[in-house]
Amino acid sequence: RKEVEQDPGPFNVPEGATVAFNCTYSNSASQSFFWYRQDCRKEPKLLMSVYSSGNEDGRFTAQLNRASQYISLLIRDSKLSDSATYLCVVRDGGFKTIFGAGTRLFVKA
Amino acid sequence: DAGITQSPRHKVTETGTPVTLRCHQTENHRYMYWYRQDPGHGLRLIHYSYGVKDTDKGEVSDGYSVSRSKTEDFLLTLESATSSQTSVYFCAISEQGTSGRYEQYFGPGTRLTVT
Repeated sequence: RKEVEQDPGPFNVPEGATVAFNCTYSNSASQSFFWYRQDCRKEPKLLMSVYSSGNEDGRFTAQLNRASQYISLLIRDSKLSDSATYLCVVRDGGFKTIFGAGTRLFVKA
Repeated sequence: DAGITQSPRHKVTETGTPVTLRCHQTENHRYMYWYRQDPGHGLRLIHYSYGVKDTDKGEVSDGYSVSRSKTEDFLLTLESATSSQTSVYFCAISEQGTSGRYEQYFGPGTRLTVT
């Protein structure tokens, strides 16, 4: 079993749609959680950290469920520019950072 | 922009040859990382550094070595390249964000092909 698992997709959605991604992790001692975005042939870029209380940044909402060990990302009012791969990232208290393989999103006009 | 550059950006090399990739940062970050990214695997940590001359292995360190003689440069060496090392290599730094958490920022990557 992978330490961080994501549905690879692809998710194909029309502009304006709401789309949700989930991610599960296996290490209950994980302490920090993030979502990254990666465009084709580019480097990953930090989208947002994920807090236990849930957090929102514009159209993006991230939530963490420690009991069930999953993280979610909700994108509202999808834009064409949201098309990318979204990486779920989990970190322990030290240097160990585990990246999910990513979920691909295509937003269509 | 975390001020990270990588060189070369693309390289094709033959099996058995040594290859060195360079990561350069301009903002005096203490922590630096080398990852490789392959389809279906996500990014996997090769080596990391927590200061000048302080390095340690990640989960896929076999066949790779690193050196950090200056804060700004972190070098990754493939002593004898193999086709299984064909990959995209990303360098990263980490810095403490406003939340207090350490967040990683990546360089543009190096595409390495071993023929």
